[in-house]
Formats: sequence, C-alpha cells, structure tokens
Amino acid sequence: AQKITQTQPGMFVQEKEAVTLDCTYDTSDPSYGLFWYKQPSSGEMIFLIYQGSYDQQNATEGRYSLNFQKARKSANLVISASQLGDSAMYFCAMREPYGNNRLAFGKGNQVVVIP
Amino acid sequence: GAGVSQSPSNKVTEKGKDVELRCDPISGHTALYWYRQRLGQGLEFLIYFQGNSAPDKSGLPSDRFSAERTGESVSTLTIQRTQQEDSAVYLCASSLDGAGGATDTQYFGPGTRLTVL
Repeated sequence: AQKITQTQPGMFVQEKEAVTLDCTYDTSDPSYGLFWYKQPSSGEMIFLIYQGSYDQQNATEGRYSLNFQKARKSANLVISASQLGDSAMYFCAMREPYGNNRLAFGKGNQVVVIP
Repeated sequence: GAGVSQSPSNKVTEKGKDVELRCDPISGHTALYWYRQRLGQGLEFLIYFQGNSAPDKSGLPSDRFSAERTGESVSTLTIQRTQQEDSAVYLCASSLDGAGGATDTQYFGPGTRLTVL
C-alpha cells in the first residue's frame, strides 16, 4: 500500500510568490518522521526540512515551512518568496521506526518558477 | 565537509553483464542506504547497513542484486546479469547513526545512472 501520496500535477509559480506542495501519508505507528527533499534537474537529492510526529510546532527552515496536520495525516511544504532556483521536483518521504530507518517516498511534485 | 560520493556517475552496459556501483558515505556516518529511482518515479528502498548489524536486504528486487559494506565505509552494490528493467538511477545515502532521531537525516550522493542496452 502506498504510504506517501503526492498527487498534484506540475505547477507553475510566479517568482516571489509562495507555493504549497501537498503530501499525505499513511501509518499506524505513533512515532514517525517526515522529510521533504528537492531534486533539481541535475539529479541530486537535497534535504530541505524535517518534522517529527511528536514535534509540537511546525518545522521551518529559511523559506521552507511544513504545515503539519497530524489528525489529517498531511505534511504540506510551503515555499515562500519563490526563486528561479526553486524549479525542481520535490519529494515527500516518511521514516517509520520499524522500517529499519528506510524512507518511503512519494512520486514527487514538479515545480517550475517563472520570472 | 565532503558529502556522499558515488561512482561511476554514468554506466552503460549490455544486457547480461554484471555491474558494480560504489558509494563513499559521509565520514563518521555509520548508517548507509541504497535506493533506486526509475524515470519519473520516487525512490525505492533497496538495502540498509548499520554498523556491524546484519543488513536489511528486504528491498532488493531479486537475487541478482547484492551489496556489501566494508566496516563503516565504502559500499558496493552489485547487479549480476543485468536486465533492461534495471535501468535507473541508483542513489546512495548515509546518516549519522540510523537511530531515527531528529538529527538522523539521510544525505544523498549524486547517484549513478545505469543504462542497460
């Protein structure tokens, strides 16, 4: 069963605007971690932000913030003040403790920032 | 400091040949992971090494795939008798200790793009 769902089609975003990328997840374990990675066309996976299931506050890292809604099992990534260099694929991933620390990835969201 | 490195960056091989892919984790990281990314898809877990523990091989798709790790350093992923469906990018990641805490983030290498003709 798919554990991470990212279903948005490719998105075009105006430079300097904010964009929200949706991610829903499925787990029965109360302890888990959620990650977002960025993959530009060059192919490397770049870690952006982490949210633990017991964290009381939404995670923030610079222009990235995570809108964590535990009851809805969603962990949406918000990128504020988009820049041209933000054009990339964005992957949501979940780590479960009984999964030997492996990450389960969604299929990704494509973002293109236009000037 | 140096990140995760992988070699080769690209590998083209003929169907039926064996290939070896190499990963050098971040120095001091005891946990190492291999993932596969097919074109246009997310990453699929393959195998996980943590210190001297037995590796978690549950993600390996067939017995043609195997991996080794020397201590807490270099790892090699071997694919025997390659098939066209093995064509993908193979990504290696390492993390501090595999304990799963807030700081145990996986950092990825640039990947090896494998093409099987």
